[in-house]
Amino acid sequence: GENVEQHPSTLSVQEGDSAVIKCTYSDSASNYFPWYKQELGKRPQLIIDIRSNVGEKKDQRIAVTLNKTAKHFSLHITETQPEDSAVYFCAAIYGNKLVFGAGTILRVKS
Amino acid sequence: GAVVSQHPSWVICKSGTSVKIECRSLDFQATTMFWYRQFPKQSLMLMATSNEGSKATYEQGVEKDKFLINHASLTLSTLTVTSAHPEDSSFYICSASLAGSSPLHFGNGTRLTVT
Repeated sequence: GENVEQHPSTLSVQEGDSAVIKCTYSDSASNYFPWYKQELGKRPQLIIDIRSNVGEKKDQRIAVTLNKTAKHFSLHITETQPEDSAVYFCAAIYGNKLVFGAGTILRVKS
Repeated sequence: GAVVSQHPSWVICKSGTSVKIECRSLDFQATTMFWYRQFPKQSLMLMATSNEGSKATYEQGVEKDKFLINHASLTLSTLTVTSAHPEDSSFYICSASLAGSSPLHFGNGTRLTVT
């Protein structure tokens, strides 16, 4: 079925450390994997995305990796800052529908 | 570009009444819009796919007669919560993508509280 598993559900890191969030998907036909950041009471904001024809994409402190064989993808945030604290959602395309993971609460301690 | 506007941002209504939420694509045409619902501390759950000029496609477990969706133009989709009950209180968010591309652009969401 249409399923996206996301781990961990909560993640606490010290400012300056790296944070990694992992997701798996179930449909090998999925070809688009975005990551969203959501602050309390606000809409999700796209922070990075990757398509199935590449294995890695980087944008400053944020990177995403994709392993199509294993059907998993990960978000990497380096040099974390307090303003990175938020809920992060991974998602995968199933047909024309975007299905979200359960979310990860990231807390960056200063 | 690719701005999605949603209105109202919050609404409080009494149990048994209906509430309409509007979602507009301001600078692009959206043949397809998506309606999500998010309960506190949970993920975004797709309710339905709104198709311009045709009936919406509802996800399993979502009552189409309770959540009425109308997509009468390429820039406007509406969601009407009929006979609202306290358990319908949630954050409703619409989204749309530019035709032929994948990134979803979200509206600001509507916080619905049913008393």
